[in-house]
Amino acid sequence: GIQVEQSPPDLILQEGANSTLRCNFSDSVNNLQWFHQNPWGQLINLFYIPSGTKQNGRLSATTVATERYSLLYISSSQTTDSGVYFCAVVPQGGSEKLVFGKGTKLTVNP
Amino acid sequence: EPEVTQTPSHQVTQMGQEVILRCVPISNHLYFYWYRQILGQKVEFLVSFYNNEISEKSEIFDDQFSVERPDGSNFTLKIRSTKLEDSAMYFCASTDYRETNYGYTFGSGTRLTVV
Repeated sequence: GIQVEQSPPDLILQEGANSTLRCNFSDSVNNLQWFHQNPWGQLINLFYIPSGTKQNGRLSATTVATERYSLLYISSSQTTDSGVYFCAVVPQGGSEKLVFGKGTKLTVNP
Repeated sequence: EPEVTQTPSHQVTQMGQEVILRCVPISNHLYFYWYRQILGQKVEFLVSFYNNEISEKSEIFDDQFSVERPDGSNFTLKIRSTKLEDSAMYFCASTDYRETNYGYTFGSGTRLTVV
C-alpha cells in the first residue's frame, strides 16, 4: 500500500520562529489533508490540499502532486501551535480511506 | 463550519464488556468512517460505511466490531467484548465527495480505556 513519510519526526522551536514540515507519499493521491492534533487529542483539519497552495493566517500549505510531496509552513509560531501535525492521503485506485503518516511532533517554547 | 459530534468523550470499561461509541456525522454527508489511534501511534483506518453498508474495512475490524446507522443521524461503533488492546482514541469522520473544499471532517474522539 501507499507509504506516507513525514519529516522531521520532532521539532522544537522558540516562539516567533518559522518552520516547514514535509510529507512525502509513494503513490498518486486523490486527496491530501493536514491535521493538527492538540494536547487534548482532537484532530483539527488544517488544509484539504490535493494540489496547489493554500493559506490560512500564519499557516500555509503547498502540494506538488506530480512530485508526491506536500509542505506545511508555520510562520511566527506560538505556544498554541504545539502538538502533532499529521499528513493524510487518499490513494488513487478506488479506496476511500485516509492513510496517515506518523506525524511531526512540534513543541513551541515561550 | 459544520461539526462531527462524538459521545462520550471518555469511557472506561472492564475487559469483556460491550461498548457502543456514538457519532453524529455532518447532516448532508454520505460517507462515514471510524478510525482509531493507540496512544502515541498514528491514526489507523477501521471501517467505511456508505448507503447503509460497510464499503471497506481493515484487518483490525474483526468480528468483535460492528457498525450501524440506526436512524437518519447517528452512526455507531460497537465493540462486543473489549480487550485491553482496544484501549485507544476512536475517531468518527464523514465526507461528501461533492464538497471538495473540506475533505474529511473528524469528530473530537472518544478515549476508550479498557481495564
